[in-house]
Amino acid sequence: DTEVTQTPKHLVMGMTNKKSLKCEQHMGHRAMYWYKQKAKKPPELMFVYSYEKLSINESVPSRFSPECPNSSLLNLHLHALQPEDSALYLCASSQVQGAAGQPQHFGDGTRLSIL
Amino acid sequence: TQLLEQSPQFLSIQEGENLTVYCNSSSVFSSLQWYRQEPGEGPVLLVTVVTGGEVKKLKRLTFQFGDARKDSSLHITAAQPGDTGLYLCAVIQGAQKLVFGQGTRLTINP
Repeated sequence: DTEVTQTPKHLVMGMTNKKSLKCEQHMGHRAMYWYKQKAKKPPELMFVYSYEKLSINESVPSRFSPECPNSSLLNLHLHALQPEDSALYLCASSQVQGAAGQPQHFGDGTRLSIL
Repeated sequence: TQLLEQSPQFLSIQEGENLTVYCNSSSVFSSLQWYRQEPGEGPVLLVTVVTGGEVKKLKRLTFQFGDARKDSSLHITAAQPGDTGLYLCAVIQGAQKLVFGQGTRLTINP
């Protein structure tokens, strides 16, 4: 069982819908991450939150909007997505951001399909 | 240009065989991690190597960090179907974010 919980596991939405992905961890980690993973590719970083503040935005389109309500929760709000946004969205956490040798703990992801 | 080059990208072998996958770079790193991702799951950390020349063993898996800390290898002895998955090497770039190699997709056939 993963210590990072993501909901929902699967999501199908139309291009005009608004939905949110949720991520939760109770390990006391102060860094949380969103990654996008396309089929047969490695995860690609989207956003990093450090101590509940946005630290890195990897030039992600504004139709993706992250939110960190508290140190345990991370959301990704979706609006007006495109078919090419269909992918596995992974959440991860670590004790602090960017410390060499420190593990990141990943959730099992939300598989998103845009119709 | 990829920061981390993994090879091979795909590998399909029979149960019981040995294999080695590689992770190479022209950059020097203070540490390097290996993750395994199984279908329908997120990546799981296998090992972190930090010292040039370091060798770490995890049951049938042997990880080595190159002397110059630019490359790493993962050797699996007597592979089993449960070893099937995507193997990813990763490093911290710019003291801020984790960057993955392209991965080696390993299939062990019974």
